[in-house]
Amino acid sequence: ETGVTQSPTHLIKTRGQQVTLRCSSQSGHNTVSWYQQALGQGPQFIFQYYREEENGRGNFPPRFSGLQFPNYSSELNVNALELDDSALYLCASSLEFRQGYEQYFGPGTRLTVT
Amino acid sequence: DAKTTQPPSMDCAEGRAANLPCNHSTISGNEYVYWYRQIHSQGPQYIIHGLKNNETNEMASLIITEDRKSSTLILPHATLRDTAVYYCIVRSNSGTYKYIFGTGTRLKVLA
Repeated sequence: ETGVTQSPTHLIKTRGQQVTLRCSSQSGHNTVSWYQQALGQGPQFIFQYYREEENGRGNFPPRFSGLQFPNYSSELNVNALELDDSALYLCASSLEFRQGYEQYFGPGTRLTVT
Repeated sequence: DAKTTQPPSMDCAEGRAANLPCNHSTISGNEYVYWYRQIHSQGPQYIIHGLKNNETNEMASLIITEDRKSSTLILPHATLRDTAVYYCIVRSNSGTYKYIFGTGTRLKVLA
């Protein structure tokens, strides 16, 4: 157990819909990163939040957006869902975003788009 | 961003040491090496990380070559529960210090 929780565990949506995934970071961690993991592949970095500000973004379109709240929990929002968005979505928290500080991952949310 | 190369799969007998290699020949400056493992599509589990010196914790040891171009993760006494995909990651030094995952090594521990 890492202390990082995610909800919901599983989700089924229809193409074109919108979805919100939630992440509660480990106590005291001010940095949250989100990753997308397609079947059979390694996780791909979506974006990172540090102290409520977006701190960097991977190669994902603007329909992927996020928020970090004052308690450092976070949301990932995906608009206009596409079939290829079906994946395991992982969030990870860390004490700081810099080198030397490891990230702790939650169990993930399995999103299926039909 | 530094890339890593790992063998796609390895087998190890239960009770023996599992040695998982990783090549990161383009690593630079103060970029750290991190190891994670993932079991049955759960969230990746942190194992260990290091910069230059060898590191050991309750889970594993990390041996980094002097030129830092490769490393080896050692699980001293592998058990069936160590069967997983193991990822070696060199963390980017720019901006977000994001993790760039490769495809990892699928370790199978045999009874």
